[in-house]
Amino acid sequence: RKEVEQDPGPFNVPEGATVAFNCTYSNSASQSFFWYRQDCRKEPKLLMSVYSSGNEDGRFTAQLNRASQYISLLIRDSKLSDSATYLCVVNGRMDSSYKLIFGSGTRLLVRP
Amino acid sequence: NAGVTQTPKFQVLKTGQSMTLQCAQDMNHEYMSWYRQDPGMGLRLIHYSVGAGITDQGEVPNGYNVSRSTTEDFPLRLLSAAPSQTSVYFCASSYARVHEQYFGPGTRLTVT
Repeated sequence: RKEVEQDPGPFNVPEGATVAFNCTYSNSASQSFFWYRQDCRKEPKLLMSVYSSGNEDGRFTAQLNRASQYISLLIRDSKLSDSATYLCVVNGRMDSSYKLIFGSGTRLLVRP
Repeated sequence: NAGVTQTPKFQVLKTGQSMTLQCAQDMNHEYMSWYRQDPGMGLRLIHYSVGAGITDQGEVPNGYNVSRSTTEDFPLRLLSAAPSQTSVYFCASSYARVHEQYFGPGTRLTVT
């Protein structure tokens, strides 16, 4: 099982729609969780950290479910500019230490 | 602040050639890392450093060397390029190993 798993999509939604992505992780001891956004042929950029209590930033809401070991990202009122790949990032154990592990990403296409 | 910078942006190598990808950051981050990104595989950690003079291997270190003589710079050396090293390479830095990472713009490398 991969340490961090995401549905690759693409999720194809109309402008104004609400869309949600989930990401599952395998290490129950993970403590740090992030969502990154990556535009085509660009570097990943931090979208938001995910806190235990959940957090919201404008149209974006992130939630953490430790019991089921997944994090989610909800995007309300989708804009054309939201089209991108969204990477789930979790700190996991690699060899003898913890490092950030990136999911393969979920692609979002917002159509007019 | 320039953030994380990488040079070159694009490079074409012939099999067997060597080269160095440059990475620098001006945020005084202790942790720096190199990733490669291939279609459908997400970001894979090549090497990382927790501070000047300290480097360690990531998930896919074979064929690459790194050094960290200063806090600011973390070059990645390809010893003898192979077509399997055709990829996009990202350098990233962060305050600590499981904190949010900031990425450079990437180097697109093609090995023929």
